[in-house]
Amino acid sequence: GAVVSQHPSWVICKSGTSVKIECRSLDFQATTMFWYRQFPKQSLMLMATSNEGSKATYEQGVEKDKFLINHASLTLSTLTVTSAHPEDSSFYICSARDRPLLTYEQYFGPGTRLTVT
Amino acid sequence: AQTVTQSQPEMSVQEAETVTLSCTYDTSESDYYLFWYKQPPSRQMILVIRQEAYKQQNATENRFSVNFQKAAKSFSLKISDSQLGDAAMYFCAYRRGGSEKLVFGKGTKLTVNP
Repeated sequence: GAVVSQHPSWVICKSGTSVKIECRSLDFQATTMFWYRQFPKQSLMLMATSNEGSKATYEQGVEKDKFLINHASLTLSTLTVTSAHPEDSSFYICSARDRPLLTYEQYFGPGTRLTVT
Repeated sequence: AQTVTQSQPEMSVQEAETVTLSCTYDTSESDYYLFWYKQPPSRQMILVIRQEAYKQQNATENRFSVNFQKAAKSFSLKISDSQLGDAAMYFCAYRRGGSEKLVFGKGTKLTVNP
């Protein structure tokens, strides 16, 4: 149980275009989902926290208008990188927290590699 | 702000031997949780072990165990009988009680030599 999927696993886009990454909880309802960014050989940096049906909470330094997050249902959150540039190239990982609230356990997706050319 | 420090960028161990990965953290909170995550080449983050700060007993999961020294703010991971499949990046992480946010260390790359 507690499987999180991401789609696509790898995407290449041209500079100036937008790309959407999906994060799905396959066998549980996720009231909260998290989006991380990981540069090569570095740690995970939390970008934002999204709660179903409400606006995402972004970490300091993360551009809200560039990284649009939508958590429209209890099983799906999307991250849209708008007007992508080469510096946005990175590995993006989502995680989801299962109900009930007491667990606070996060389950991670397999990640999406974004390359902007 | 809470910080997590992993002072060993890389470690290596012989298959079947034991290795210890170090982690220290800084916090003024009394209620918190500590984690070790494994990230193999597939990049899928896998929870290895979790420790609640209020528990004095060190957590153990099969070949994985921790040495939790609360006063020293140290949280090391011991891997016994190392296997080739243990080769991965290992991240130490902290979460304050009542918070959903995980704070990760920079990671330690573990190589297992046959």
